[in-house]
Amino acid sequence: EAQVTQNPRYLITVTGKKLTVTCSQNMNHEYMSWYRQDPGLGLRQIYYSMNVEVTDKGDVPEGYKVSRKEKRNFPLILESPSPNQTSLYFCASSFMSGGPTDTQYFGPGTRLTVL
Amino acid sequence: AQSVTQLGSHVSVSEGALVLLRCNYSSSVPPYLFWYVQYPNQGLQLLLKYTSAATLVKGINGFEAEFKKSETSFHLTKPSAHMSDAAEYFCAVSEASGTYKYIFGTGTRLKVLA
Repeated sequence: EAQVTQNPRYLITVTGKKLTVTCSQNMNHEYMSWYRQDPGLGLRQIYYSMNVEVTDKGDVPEGYKVSRKEKRNFPLILESPSPNQTSLYFCASSFMSGGPTDTQYFGPGTRLTVL
Repeated sequence: AQSVTQLGSHVSVSEGALVLLRCNYSSSVPPYLFWYVQYPNQGLQLLLKYTSAATLVKGINGFEAEFKKSETSFHLTKPSAHMSDAAEYFCAVSEASGTYKYIFGTGTRLKVLA
């Protein structure tokens, strides 16, 4: 089944404890992206990647890191999480053959709480 | 800079009534426009998209949207609401210049009344 998977789905952690949220897709998509969803703010793009070893900042990259060492994986790293990073996080992927018009496929989300 | 405005964070309609969800965009270059739907506890899925091929775009589940450049709008409509349409809807924009950055609106939660 074609899908984007995220792990963990739920995570409660404490301020300053490094964490990684994994994202994997099995559709051979070149493009991958991370978003955070907050009430009243909609989705905001954190980082995106157009191919292996190619990443770029979205609108809210502060406090986050990403890497793209393999085409299928795009982990989101919070090196020193803070309470304002409590949010619902989504990973998405798409082909790039059609440019920015290609449909993004979203993962199920990771609900992160930072105490 | 791009931006998307969705008027109305909550919209209620009766089952069988017209659904109209509003989206206005701001972009300095021709945009690509999308509507995504999010059902409770799920990720987003694409409803439809405008890619400059046709101004009236038909999507899944009976939804459609019309791109109006003069009004900078891309409103989502459905002639007859169904209970299963209850969800949150997001409008999004990406610049045709190919930056691959996406800007999403704040979302509109649709409630369908029996």
